Amino acid sequence: NAGVTQTPKFQVLKTGQSMTLQCAQDMNHEYMSWYRQDPGMGLRLIHYSVGAGITDQGEVPNGYNVSRSTTEDFPLRLLSAAPSQTSVYFCASSYLLSRASPLHFGNGTRLTVT
Amino acid sequence: AQSVTQPDIHITVSEGASLELRCNYSYGATPYLFWYVQSPGQGLQLLLKYFSGDTLVQGIKGFEAEFKRSQSSFNLRKPSVHWSDAAEYFCAVGANEANFGNEKLTFGTGTRLTIIP
Repeated sequence: NAGVTQTPKFQVLKTGQSMTLQCAQDMNHEYMSWYRQDPGMGLRLIHYSVGAGITDQGEVPNGYNVSRSTTEDFPLRLLSAAPSQTSVYFCASSYLLSRASPLHFGNGTRLTVT
Repeated sequence: AQSVTQPDIHITVSEGASLELRCNYSYGATPYLFWYVQSPGQGLQLLLKYFSGDTLVQGIKGFEAEFKRSQSSFNLRKPSVHWSDAAEYFCAVGANEANFGNEKLTFGTGTRLTIIP
């Protein structure tokens, strides 16, 4: 059982470059989300989805784009990378059977923008 | 909107000693409360959760937490820590409201736990 799989584990970008962080889950979870983790700031929600074809913005959505074409996959796109987007990114998923179901996290992608 | 505070950025404890990590929340009603643990280079893993009922909840790895409404707290405890408990611990509060789910989950800034032999 793979759970939540994120790729790549590490990435270095130059300012202005674009890239996609991949996230896949095999638990048939309806809810998927992206967080960024910065020192002293905890985890902040970027975007989330409650099912295929449905996405919405979280607390810090600017500079990021998402789509949800299947239940399993929820990629995060950086359109034009900026040094402020240097962070560790986590994908997380859960059931929607009850409110605030426990989240299952991937192992993260460490992104550096120079 | 809810908020959560973890007052201790870093705690150092001797192996075998007891542990208490503090978490205070702000929310208008009884919230959903969680503790997650993050080992180095890993994602977060759920330790325990409180939704309703018994205010003392048991979790994995020998951890427990107590919900105290009067103090707006949900402190995490362990009677005797092991070297493998060294990690970062996050408290999170969720909105106990209809039609809201994990998109309303708010994480604290974390407490890093160091264990000395």
